[in-house]
Amino acid sequence: GEDVEQSLFLSVREGDSSVINCTYTDSSSTYLYWYKQEPGAGLQLLTYIFSNMDMKQDQRLTVLLNKKDKHLSLRIADTQTGDSAIYFCAESIWGGKLIFGQGTELSVKP
Amino acid sequence: EAQVTQNPRYLITVTGKKLTVTCSQNMNHEYMSWYRQDPGLGLRQIYYSMNVEVTDKGDVPEGYKVSRKEKRNFPLILESPSPNQTSLYFCASWTGLEEQYFGPGTRLTVT
Repeated sequence: GEDVEQSLFLSVREGDSSVINCTYTDSSSTYLYWYKQEPGAGLQLLTYIFSNMDMKQDQRLTVLLNKKDKHLSLRIADTQTGDSAIYFCAESIWGGKLIFGQGTELSVKP
Repeated sequence: EAQVTQNPRYLITVTGKKLTVTCSQNMNHEYMSWYRQDPGLGLRQIYYSMNVEVTDKGDVPEGYKVSRKEKRNFPLILESPSPNQTSLYFCASWTGLEEQYFGPGTRLTVT
């Protein structure tokens, strides 16, 4: 069945780049998403990429998609303490279904 | 302002007492979904709807019901809540392309 996998934790120093990785199994995905969730808050869409693209850049965020390996990554340049949160990748498949990964908790140390 | 609203935001109830969590969107979206979020499991889809009177099961539908009588509303019904339904619940709506808009979440505790 459909599955999306992420590592659970990532710790970086302020100013470094963070790379959060995600793998998915369903090759019929249309869009792939990255969401951010701060403590006690809902989900905030950070960025998304259409499945026929390889890369998307949006200010400090770079999304890379390797369709052959079904691998998605989110790079955050110049990571700040305010970037500390849980990051979810998700894929959309037919019929409005959205499959989420378990979430990666990013900890940014000063 | 485009938004998805959920009520209540917090609810503590007892086993077996029927409850409804409401969800409403003002964007005229066709698609609406319910998710539950549990630590280490991410968000799992409970039910989704592709339009009025069209609903389908997600990954964890057991113990839940939904209805879609109007385009803007998609209530989640727990006929007989149990402690394993203690969770954080999110409603979402979208056009079927690009961004899903999420509600603020409902934290449910069943004792």
